[in-house]
Amino acid sequence: EILMTQSPATLSVSPGERATLSCRASQSVSSDLAWYQQKPGQAPRLLIHAASTRATGVPARFSGSGSGTEFTLTISSLQSEDFAVYYCQQYHNWPPRTFGGGTKVEIK
Amino acid sequence: QVHLQESGPGLVKPSETLSLTCGVSGYSITNNDYWGWIRQPPGKGLECIASIYHTGVTYYNPSLKSRVTISVDTSKNQFSLTLSSVTASDTAVYYCARQSHGGGTSNDWGQGTLVTVSS
Repeated sequence: EILMTQSPATLSVSPGERATLSCRASQSVSSDLAWYQQKPGQAPRLLIHAASTRATGVPARFSGSGSGTEFTLTISSLQSEDFAVYYCQQYHNWPPRTFGGGTKVEIK
Repeated sequence: QVHLQESGPGLVKPSETLSLTCGVSGYSITNNDYWGWIRQPPGKGLECIASIYHTGVTYYNPSLKSRVTISVDTSKNQFSLTLSSVTASDTAVYYCARQSHGGGTSNDWGQGTLVTVSS
């Protein structure tokens, strides 16, 4: 099973600032990496797949990068609706697809 | 616009079997997608449980495989999950999801249903 590790666990950011979230895989997952956003009481929402491709309807301020074992999700200018928990997930080697532990982006 | 809705008991006794159904509307379950279950214990992260293709091809999380069955009913446009011998550690919000053709990403999700295991 591929272990996914996200850092930091919590990120405090002011509205309008840039947020950079990291995800590391225990072995190479190529570009088979997705990012999800989850707000309290809601189901996760797919943001990014194939490491860098935005899902339909996702604003351009969200961008993903990386390959192999190191990945980054960048939110270029945080909006109020972006404060949430973000999860990375690998689908290179499954079952099981595995998620990271999440990064909570909170208002500074 | 695909809509997924989980249904089933919100309370299950320890050692019994958890059964959930996901009704799919606005989209045919026989389209070229996978369908899956994912769970999230309160305040914790996400865990993939199982996935199924409409032909009956299944994939299970090895850590749960001995207790899990996923099935599909194309006539009702729904799929189901059973988890046997439940314990308190199976308490979670259970989500059903439409998964990409390759089975990798979960593109559309139900709202989730909280299942509590308690006597």
